[in-house]
Amino acid sequence: GDSVTQMEGPVTLSEEAFLTINCTYTATGYPSLFWYVQYPGEGLQLLLKATKADDKGSNKGFEATYRKETTSFHLEKGSVQVSDSAVYFCALSDRGNQFYFGTGTSLTVIP
Amino acid sequence: DSGVTQTPKHLITATGQRVTLRCSPRSGDLSVYWYQQSLDQGLQFLIQYYNGEERAKGNILERFSAQQFPDLHSELNLSSLELGDSALYFCASSPTAFSGSGTDTQYFGPGTRLTVL
Repeated sequence: GDSVTQMEGPVTLSEEAFLTINCTYTATGYPSLFWYVQYPGEGLQLLLKATKADDKGSNKGFEATYRKETTSFHLEKGSVQVSDSAVYFCALSDRGNQFYFGTGTSLTVIP
Repeated sequence: DSGVTQTPKHLITATGQRVTLRCSPRSGDLSVYWYQQSLDQGLQFLIQYYNGEERAKGNILERFSAQQFPDLHSELNLSSLELGDSALYFCASSPTAFSGSGTDTQYFGPGTRLTVL
């Protein structure tokens, strides 16, 4: 069945460091791919998405490219800030509205 | 603030009991989704309703049921509760039935934390 595997955390970085959180997926069709962010005590918020191969989603300095050949959707940011500390979830949808989430990667950015 | 409201914020109950979680979607959104977030299973999709009808079903146990009312709010009913049902339950809403295609976005509520003792 469809699934998402993402990098285990927690991840701790210094402010202005480069961030990569790896995400790979398994899907039978052509899923849409998403990154969600969960700040402490809050619900998930959509960070970015990509709906077809080679699409790049971007938002707030974060980017991820839908790579069909490597079945990946890695999240990157060039320079993280303390305010980026949160849990990041990679997710896919099989377009039938069944969503599959990764287990989440906790990021802490220290000043 | 996503515009999705969930009540109650916290719920503590005993094994074998039944509880109801409530969700009000964003104004104008027709779809409601329910998710369970637990430490060992991560975030799992339970069920989706669109304009009062069940639209998609995920890993929802038979002890759990949901419905969406004419005013579009939704309730998730959990019965014969077990210790393992302790989790954070999220509701999300989206404007159409098709957020899975990426054409619109799911907006998540703050969640209800259920503790079963």
